[in-house]
Amino acid sequence: DTGVSQDPRHKITKRGQNVTFRCDPISEHNRLYWYRQTLGQGPEFLTYFQNEAQLEKSRLLSDRFSAERPKGSFSTLEIQRTEQGDSAMYLCASSPSGNNEQFFGPGTRLTVL
Amino acid sequence: AQRVTQPEKLLSVFKGAPVELKCNYSYSGSPELFWYVQYSRQRLQLLLRHISRESIKGFTADLNKGETSFHLKKPFAQEEDSAMYYCALNGVTGANSKLTFGKGITLSVRP
Repeated sequence: DTGVSQDPRHKITKRGQNVTFRCDPISEHNRLYWYRQTLGQGPEFLTYFQNEAQLEKSRLLSDRFSAERPKGSFSTLEIQRTEQGDSAMYLCASSPSGNNEQFFGPGTRLTVL
Repeated sequence: AQRVTQPEKLLSVFKGAPVELKCNYSYSGSPELFWYVQYSRQRLQLLLRHISRESIKGFTADLNKGETSFHLKKPFAQEEDSAMYYCALNGVTGANSKLTFGKGITLSVRP
């Protein structure tokens, strides 16, 4: 499968724990995005990388959230001291430079108990 | 600020009936509009984008800048069209290419 992949697909954690998600974009895509989707809502933008540079962060991304893309390939999204309100589907997408069509991964569903 | 409004949550039609999924947007510049679709237990995927002006799976959408709308239409719905549909806007400014999504609409096509 050469599409965007995300790991894990599901994560259940207790409030206060840290979690980390991984996204592997399509190999030739230099743009990578993270979105969050809660029930009944469309995906909401969290952050965006072009190669290894994080170019934009949403106000939704509190200081408990951090994202990296150290070598311009895969990316990680870490949530520290999780809260119940963090429960959501976390989506990753990638696109090639010069083309705004974004290709989405299957998502990581986070449940915070 | 950019905003996408999908005023309805659910549209239920019989097979063969026409379909129109509404999308209105708010953006001060020249936006790029998309429709994404999510079939049951599948990932979000692009259905069509306004700049390509293509018809995909019988669906079309025309950008109406005067009415700030990008409604999705299909003359004859099929059962396999049942899915969640999201309208999205890309307000391109420099290197920023984030998507702003509407809340989505569930299309149910009954036999």
